[in-house]
Amino acid sequence: SQQGEEDPQALSIQEGENATMNCSYKTSINNLQWYRQNSGRGLVHLILIRSNEREKHSGRLRVTLDTSKKSSSLLITASRAADTASYFCATGANAGGTSYGKLTFGQGTILTVHP
Amino acid sequence: SAVISQKPSRDICQRGTSLTIQCQVDSQVTMMFWYRQQPGQSLTLIATANQGSEATYESGFVIDKFPISRPNLTFSTLTVSNMSPEDSSIYLCSVEVWDSRYNEQFFGPGTRLTVL
Repeated sequence: SQQGEEDPQALSIQEGENATMNCSYKTSINNLQWYRQNSGRGLVHLILIRSNEREKHSGRLRVTLDTSKKSSSLLITASRAADTASYFCATGANAGGTSYGKLTFGQGTILTVHP
Repeated sequence: SAVISQKPSRDICQRGTSLTIQCQVDSQVTMMFWYRQQPGQSLTLIATANQGSEATYESGFVIDKFPISRPNLTFSTLTVSNMSPEDSSIYLCSVEVWDSRYNEQFFGPGTRLTVL
């Protein structure tokens, strides 16, 4: 299986509800980033959480990181129909290795928010 | 952050032809990356393009098929050569913006390629 696996693969909720997406990874990381993609367009950077951070907030977004479990979660509170998109986590490797600077993406979660 | 543009935004091409995709950034950056996203899939890194050196390709991608240029710190091109329908994908460039030692990456809007 791949670095940066996400679950669920698809999530369908009503407007106003919270949406939680999870991401697991296998190797040591420098940081973990979450992105949103609308209808096959470019990726919008949502938030970066560093390996020494446990939680980060940005507006209605809350990201947690548990390096002991090699997992992260993205919580979107009070969801809106405009939040409908695919959400990807991506892990950045530690310095010193040949993978430094590269991101490894998960398979993504398709979120549908019904009005 | 960084503002990234790509040209073309989409194209429909015939089998056997080549397409060059341009990526322009609004600031000077050291590292640029090219990704491919096949239909319904996640992103896969094609290569890393640093200014002044040859691009570094990931496993499964070769220079003859995906030649890359990086003439300066704000611009790069990716060519998809001798295209086949399997090359139909969204191609995205990204740049790395440094916040201390954490590499935050920002993506362009993508180029949607359809090969007939």
